[in-house]
Parts: sequence; C-alpha cells; structure tokens
Amino acid sequence: ETGVTQTPRHLVMGMTNKKSLKCEQHLGHNAMYWYKQSAKKPLELMFVYNFKEQTENNSVPSRFSPECPNSSHLFLHLHTLQPEDSALYLCASSQKVGGNTDTQYFGPGTRLTVL
Amino acid sequence: TQLLEQSPQFLSIQEGENLTVYCNSSSVFSSLQWYRQEPGEGPVLLVTVVTGGEVKKLKRLTFQFGDARKDSSLHITAAQPGDTGLYLCAGAGGNNNDMRFGAGTRLTVKP
Repeated sequence: ETGVTQTPRHLVMGMTNKKSLKCEQHLGHNAMYWYKQSAKKPLELMFVYNFKEQTENNSVPSRFSPECPNSSHLFLHLHTLQPEDSALYLCASSQKVGGNTDTQYFGPGTRLTVL
Repeated sequence: TQLLEQSPQFLSIQEGENLTVYCNSSSVFSSLQWYRQEPGEGPVLLVTVVTGGEVKKLKRLTFQFGDARKDSSLHITAAQPGDTGLYLCAGAGGNNNDMRFGAGTRLTVKP
C-alpha cells in the first residue's frame, strides 16, 4: 500500500462510451499526476496538478479530460477513445511539484482496454 | 526532450547470479531515481541519487550516478526470484519540473 488508490483496477469500454478513472491519495500531498504506461514505451506524463491547479498538459488529446476537485482526489474523464488508448493509467502524488528529490508515490493503476 | 534509454530491455537470469542494468541519456539531470514495478502494481521508489559519482547501496542493490549526471547503473548481487520486476529509471531536469522515465528493464530471476 503506497497511500494512493485507483478505481477501477480494470476497465473495458467501447469507443463511444464515457467513463471516468478515479484516484485518491491519503498522504497529504499537494501535487497529483496522471501517467500513461504502454508496453515497451516509457511512462508518459499526461497531466500535473499542483494545489488543485493544472500546471502541465503534455499535448494530451481532448478525449482525455482531467479534473482535480481537491488535493486528495483526481479524475480522468474518458470519451470517444481509440483502441490505441488501451494502456495502464497510473496516478501518482508528491509533496510538491518539482524539486530534484521529490518522491512520487504511485497507485496500482487502471488497466484500460478500448474495443 | 530528456530521453532516457535503458538497457537491456529484457533480462532473464538464474537465482544467485549477478546483473547490471543501465540508464543512459545525453541530457544532464539534477537527480535520478530508480523504481521497481511488479505486475499489477504501480512503480515503487528504490533510490534517489543527486550527486555525480554518487554510489548508494540498498542491501544487495548498488546504484551509481555517473560523474556527468547523464547516466546511472543498478547492480544486483546474488539475484533472487523476489527481484523479478520492471526496473525504471527517471530523471529530473535542471528546471526541477516533471520527471522523465525510461522504458524500463524487465528482469526475471528463475529459481
């Protein structure tokens, strides 16, 4: 247990569906992150939130829409996804954004399959 | 972009053997972190190195940060099946913003 939980753990959806991924951290951290992990590729940073404000959006398609209502919760809303969006989506949190020794704590991920 | 290349991509060894995996880049990093990720779980931090030439030991694991802070290595002595997993390196840039990850080395230690 890293103190970061993600639900659901597995999700299968059609290209026309709308679904949401949820992340919750119990560590009192101020920064939260969404990453995409595909086979044989580096972890791709998608979004960064610092004190509930989005500080980074790494050219992510608009079919992915993040929401951070407070420092403990982070959502990723999905709509009209493509099969190539199938991947493991990881949430992480850290005390603050940046800092060369800042440690990110990861959740277990949501395994997403888009049919 | 700060591209991190990890090698080898896959490694399968017998219990008791030693191994070294590498993380290389053409960019200079202010710090570098190593994570291990087990199936069905997220990455878990093993170590952070910040000083060029730094060596850190964690039981049977030895981590080294290159003098120029562009590369790092992880050496495991007498590997055990419990060491099986995906080993990821991640570098933090000079502007101390987000980290960039390598694609990882997938290690399998057979009993």
